[in-house]
Amino acid sequence: EVQLVQSGAEVKKPGESLRISCQTSGYTFTNHWISWVRQMPGKGLEWMGRIDPTDSYTNYSPSFQGHVTISVDKSIRTAYLQWNTLNASDTAMYYCATGLDWFDPWGQGTLVTVSS
Amino acid sequence: EIVLTQSPATLSLSPGERATLSCRASQSVNSDLAWYQQKPGQAPRLLIYDASKRATGIPARFSGSGSGTDFTLTISSLEPDDFAVYYCQQRSNWPPYTFGQGTKLEIK
Repeated sequence: EVQLVQSGAEVKKPGESLRISCQTSGYTFTNHWISWVRQMPGKGLEWMGRIDPTDSYTNYSPSFQGHVTISVDKSIRTAYLQWNTLNASDTAMYYCATGLDWFDPWGQGTLVTVSS
Repeated sequence: EIVLTQSPATLSLSPGERATLSCRASQSVNSDLAWYQQKPGQAPRLLIYDASKRATGIPARFSGSGSGTDFTLTISSLEPDDFAVYYCQQRSNWPPYTFGQGTKLEIK
């Protein structure tokens, strides 16, 4: 069974850095891209970017380019989403999901709260 | 960026009824459209991809149709477990992949 398990909820202050993770199992890690999707409180889904675990090639949405970094560690089958400088508007649920163009399955989500 | 507009925003129906959800694209996406279901407190789940193909394990009461700019998700006979938010998503023109704003299917 393909599974994506994300790291736990985070509470951070504006200006801080953060990295959240998405650990995978049940399939050949390098066979499927991993995407990250944001869902702000009470809102819809926004695709942030994706990574090819084979060579760490990434694509980003213009809305998120330069603000986040997506990476992987093949040795532990894990993808990451990182911010160097958080701001309050980064408060959201973040999901990882496998698949090149269609997203299936998804991780359970990581809630990130940024507040002073 | 392709904008996907879903209608209605909220749909109130009873179990056993037929649900018809719409997704309209700002330009043609051919058949490069998917539908997802999201229940409260859960991650989204893929229902339909390539406009009309059911994902693994999705019941036959869910069907998708359309091409170009107009798409429909139909649930033939609603079950209590189907009341959720539904999103469409396109892959035709990226980056970025884009989602519709969602349709909330609620119990009448």
